[in-house]
Amino acid sequence: KAGVTQTPRYLIKTRGQQVTLSCSPISGHRSVSWYQQTPGQGLQFLFEYFSETQRNKGNFPGRFSGRQFSNSRSEMNVSTLELGDSALYLCASSPGQTNTGELFFGEGSRLTVL
Amino acid sequence: EDKVVQSPLSLVVHEGDTVTLNCSYEVTNFRSLLWYKQEKKAPTFLFMLTSSGIEKKSGRLSSILDKKELFSILNITATQTGDSAVYLCAIPASGGGADGLTFGKGTHLIIQP
Repeated sequence: KAGVTQTPRYLIKTRGQQVTLSCSPISGHRSVSWYQQTPGQGLQFLFEYFSETQRNKGNFPGRFSGRQFSNSRSEMNVSTLELGDSALYLCASSPGQTNTGELFFGEGSRLTVL
Repeated sequence: EDKVVQSPLSLVVHEGDTVTLNCSYEVTNFRSLLWYKQEKKAPTFLFMLTSSGIEKKSGRLSSILDKKELFSILNITATQTGDSAVYLCAIPASGGGADGLTFGKGTHLIIQP
Protein backbone atom coordinates (compact mmCIF):
# COMPACT_ATOMS: atom_id res chain seq x y z
CA LYS A 1 0.00 0.00 0.00
CA ALA A 2 1.50 3.33 -1.00
CA GLY A 3 2.12 5.81 1.79
CA VAL A 4 1.21 9.47 1.99
CA THR A 5 2.71 11.34 -0.94
CA GLN A 6 3.54 15.01 -0.84
CA THR A 7 4.68 17.19 -3.71
CA PRO A 8 6.83 19.07 -4.29
CA ARG A 9 9.45 17.86 -1.84
CA TYR A 10 11.49 21.07 -1.94
CA LEU A 11 10.74 24.54 -3.19
CA ILE A 12 12.14 28.03 -2.93
CA LYS A 13 9.97 31.12 -3.18
CA THR A 14 10.44 34.83 -2.58
CA ARG A 15 8.49 37.05 -0.23
CA GLY A 16 5.10 38.04 -1.55
CA GLN A 17 4.67 35.01 -3.78
CA GLN A 18 2.18 32.25 -3.18
CA VAL A 19 2.65 28.50 -3.03
CA THR A 20 0.46 25.42 -3.39
CA LEU A 21 1.41 22.10 -1.81
CA SER A 22 -0.22 18.80 -2.62
CA CYS A 23 -0.92 15.70 -0.55
CA SER A 24 -2.23 12.30 -1.63
CA PRO A 25 -3.35 10.25 1.39
CA ILE A 26 -3.13 6.51 1.78
CA SER A 27 -5.79 4.82 -0.32
CA GLY A 28 -9.02 4.61 1.66
CA HIS A 29 -8.07 7.31 4.16
CA ARG A 30 -10.55 10.17 4.16
CA SER A 31 -9.09 12.45 6.83
CA VAL A 32 -6.16 14.67 5.89
CA SER A 33 -4.40 17.01 8.31
CA TRP A 34 -1.66 19.55 7.68
CA TYR A 35 1.09 20.55 10.09
CA GLN A 36 3.86 23.14 9.95
CA GLN A 37 7.19 22.20 11.51
CA THR A 38 9.85 24.80 12.37
CA PRO A 39 12.89 24.56 14.67
CA GLY A 40 11.47 27.21 17.00
CA GLN A 41 7.81 26.17 17.26
CA GLY A 42 7.98 22.46 16.51
CA LEU A 43 4.96 20.81 14.88
CA GLN A 44 1.86 22.99 14.76
CA PHE A 45 -1.59 22.01 13.51
CA LEU A 46 -2.77 23.94 10.46
CA PHE A 47 -6.08 22.37 9.44
CA GLU A 48 -7.91 19.12 8.87
CA TYR A 49 -10.22 17.94 6.12
CA PHE A 50 -12.69 15.10 6.04
CA SER A 51 -14.95 14.34 3.08
CA GLU A 52 -14.04 17.62 1.37
CA THR A 53 -14.98 19.69 4.45
CA GLN A 54 -12.58 21.64 6.62
CA ARG A 55 -13.44 20.51 10.11
CA ASN A 56 -11.05 22.67 12.05
CA LYS A 57 -8.21 25.12 11.71
CA GLY A 58 -5.24 25.90 13.89
CA ASN A 59 -4.04 29.31 14.94
CA PHE A 60 -2.68 30.52 11.61
CA PRO A 61 -3.53 33.64 9.60
CA GLY A 62 -5.97 33.61 6.70
CA ARG A 63 -3.06 33.48 4.24
CA PHE A 64 -3.03 29.75 4.94
CA SER A 65 -5.84 27.88 3.26
CA GLY A 66 -6.57 24.45 1.94
CA ARG A 67 -9.06 22.20 0.28
CA GLN A 68 -9.82 18.55 -0.24
CA PHE A 69 -11.05 16.90 -3.39
CA SER A 70 -13.55 14.09 -3.82
CA ASN A 71 -10.70 11.54 -4.12
CA SER A 72 -9.42 12.72 -0.69
CA ARG A 73 -6.33 14.41 -2.16
CA SER A 74 -5.66 17.71 -0.47
CA GLU A 75 -3.89 20.93 -1.28
CA MET A 76 -2.78 23.76 0.92
CA ASN A 77 -2.03 27.26 -0.24
CA VAL A 78 -0.03 30.02 1.37
CA SER A 79 -0.44 33.47 -0.14
CA THR A 80 1.75 36.55 0.27
CA LEU A 81 4.64 34.53 1.60
CA GLU A 82 6.69 35.83 4.51
CA LEU A 83 10.17 34.79 5.62
CA GLY A 84 8.64 33.15 8.69
CA ASP A 85 6.68 30.75 6.48
CA SER A 86 9.90 28.84 5.78
CA ALA A 87 9.21 25.43 7.24
CA LEU A 88 8.60 21.77 6.63
CA TYR A 89 4.92 21.26 5.81
CA LEU A 90 3.72 17.80 6.75
CA CYS A 91 0.54 16.14 5.63
CA ALA A 92 -0.97 13.24 7.56
CA SER A 93 -3.85 10.95 6.78
CA SER A 94 -5.97 8.67 8.94
CA PRO A 95 -8.59 6.08 8.09
CA GLY A 96 -11.38 7.17 10.40
CA GLN A 97 -13.13 10.38 11.19
CA THR A 98 -10.72 11.33 13.95
CA ASN A 99 -7.39 12.97 13.24
CA THR A 100 -6.10 12.64 16.77
CA GLY A 101 -4.98 9.04 16.89
CA GLU A 102 -2.53 7.19 14.73
CA LEU A 103 -1.63 9.47 11.88
CA PHE A 104 0.34 8.47 8.81
CA PHE A 105 2.66 11.26 7.80
CA GLY A 106 4.18 12.06 4.44
CA GLU A 107 7.81 13.05 3.94
CA GLY A 108 6.85 16.71 3.83
CA SER A 109 7.39 19.69 1.56
CA ARG A 110 10.36 21.84 2.53
CA LEU A 111 9.53 25.48 1.75
CA THR A 112 12.23 28.14 1.82
CA VAL A 113 11.15 31.77 1.50
CA LEU A 114 13.86 34.24 0.50
CA GLU B 1 -4.24 26.45 26.53
CA ASP B 2 -3.03 22.89 25.96
CA LYS B 3 0.65 22.37 26.61
CA VAL B 4 3.15 19.54 26.09
CA VAL B 5 6.68 19.76 27.52
CA GLN B 6 9.32 17.18 26.74
CA SER B 7 12.63 16.62 28.47
CA PRO B 8 15.45 16.41 27.89
CA LEU B 9 15.53 18.31 24.61
CA SER B 10 18.57 16.35 23.53
CA LEU B 11 20.36 13.29 24.77
CA VAL B 12 23.53 11.49 23.69
CA VAL B 13 24.13 7.94 24.91
CA HIS B 14 26.16 4.91 23.88
CA GLU B 15 24.79 1.85 22.15
CA GLY B 16 23.39 -0.59 24.67
CA ASP B 17 22.37 2.04 27.20
CA THR B 18 18.79 2.42 28.44
CA VAL B 19 17.13 5.80 28.03
CA THR B 20 14.02 7.39 29.53
CA LEU B 21 12.31 10.24 27.74
CA ASN B 22 9.82 12.42 29.58
CA CYS B 23 6.61 14.14 28.54
CA SER B 24 4.44 16.30 30.80
CA TYR B 25 1.19 17.84 29.66
CA GLU B 26 -1.57 20.25 30.53
CA VAL B 27 -4.92 19.80 28.85
CA THR B 28 -8.50 20.73 29.71
CA ASN B 29 -10.06 17.54 28.42
CA PHE B 30 -7.65 14.59 28.32
CA ARG B 31 -8.41 11.90 25.78
CA SER B 32 -5.09 10.27 24.98
CA LEU B 33 -1.33 10.77 24.70
CA LEU B 34 0.69 9.69 21.69
CA TRP B 35 4.35 9.07 20.96
CA TYR B 36 5.89 9.45 17.50
CA LYS B 37 9.42 8.85 16.18
CA GLN B 38 10.81 11.23 13.56
CA GLU B 39 14.00 9.99 11.91
CA LYS B 40 14.30 12.24 8.89
CA LYS B 41 11.08 13.78 7.74
CA ALA B 42 7.95 11.69 8.34
CA PRO B 43 7.01 11.04 11.98
CA THR B 44 5.94 7.46 12.55
CA PHE B 45 3.47 6.36 15.21
CA LEU B 46 4.76 4.45 18.24
CA PHE B 47 2.11 4.33 20.97
CA MET B 48 -1.22 5.74 22.03
CA LEU B 49 -1.98 5.71 25.77
CA THR B 50 -5.35 6.35 27.28
CA SER B 51 -5.31 4.55 30.63
CA SER B 52 -3.11 5.36 33.57
CA GLY B 53 -0.61 2.78 34.76
CA ILE B 54 -0.91 0.40 31.83
CA GLU B 55 2.36 -0.12 29.99
CA LYS B 56 2.41 -0.30 26.23
CA LYS B 57 5.30 -2.31 24.83
CA SER B 58 6.79 -2.92 21.42
CA GLY B 59 10.09 -4.75 21.37
CA ARG B 60 12.67 -2.66 23.22
CA LEU B 61 10.34 0.34 23.49
CA SER B 62 7.77 0.80 26.21
CA SER B 63 5.65 3.65 27.49
CA ILE B 64 3.47 4.36 30.48
CA LEU B 65 1.06 7.12 31.40
CA ASP B 66 0.37 8.73 34.79
CA LYS B 67 -2.88 10.70 34.50
CA LYS B 68 -2.72 11.86 38.12
CA GLU B 69 0.72 13.45 37.74
CA LEU B 70 0.08 14.39 34.08
CA PHE B 71 3.10 12.80 32.49
CA SER B 72 4.28 9.93 30.37
CA ILE B 73 7.64 8.27 29.87
CA LEU B 74 9.08 6.44 26.90
CA ASN B 75 11.75 3.86 27.70
CA ILE B 76 14.17 2.38 25.20
CA THR B 77 16.33 -0.51 26.42
CA ALA B 78 19.50 -1.86 24.79
CA THR B 79 19.63 1.14 22.46
CA GLN B 80 20.90 0.77 18.90
CA THR B 81 22.19 3.37 16.44
CA GLY B 82 18.94 2.99 14.54
CA ASP B 83 17.09 4.43 17.54
CA SER B 84 18.68 7.82 16.83
CA ALA B 85 15.77 10.14 16.06
CA VAL B 86 13.57 12.88 17.45
CA TYR B 87 10.88 11.45 19.73
CA LEU B 88 7.68 13.48 19.81
CA CYS B 89 4.93 13.43 22.39
CA ALA B 90 1.46 14.74 21.49
CA ILE B 91 -2.02 15.14 22.90
CA PRO B 92 -5.30 15.76 21.08
CA ALA B 93 -6.38 19.38 21.47
CA SER B 94 -9.15 19.96 23.97
CA GLY B 95 -11.59 21.52 21.58
CA GLY B 96 -12.98 18.34 20.13
CA GLY B 97 -12.27 15.48 17.81
CA ALA B 98 -11.14 17.52 14.85
CA ASP B 99 -8.74 19.91 16.53
CA GLY B 100 -5.54 18.16 15.68
CA LEU B 101 -2.63 17.18 17.87
CA THR B 102 -0.60 19.46 20.12
CA PHE B 103 3.02 18.34 19.95
CA GLY B 104 5.94 18.86 22.29
CA LYS B 105 9.24 20.17 20.91
CA GLY B 106 10.66 16.65 20.94
CA THR B 107 13.70 14.92 22.40
CA HIS B 108 16.61 14.59 19.98
CA LEU B 109 18.20 11.24 20.84
CA ILE B 110 21.64 10.35 19.49
CA ILE B 111 23.00 6.84 19.97
CA GLN B 112 26.77 6.62 19.58
CA PRO B 113 28.31 3.29 18.53
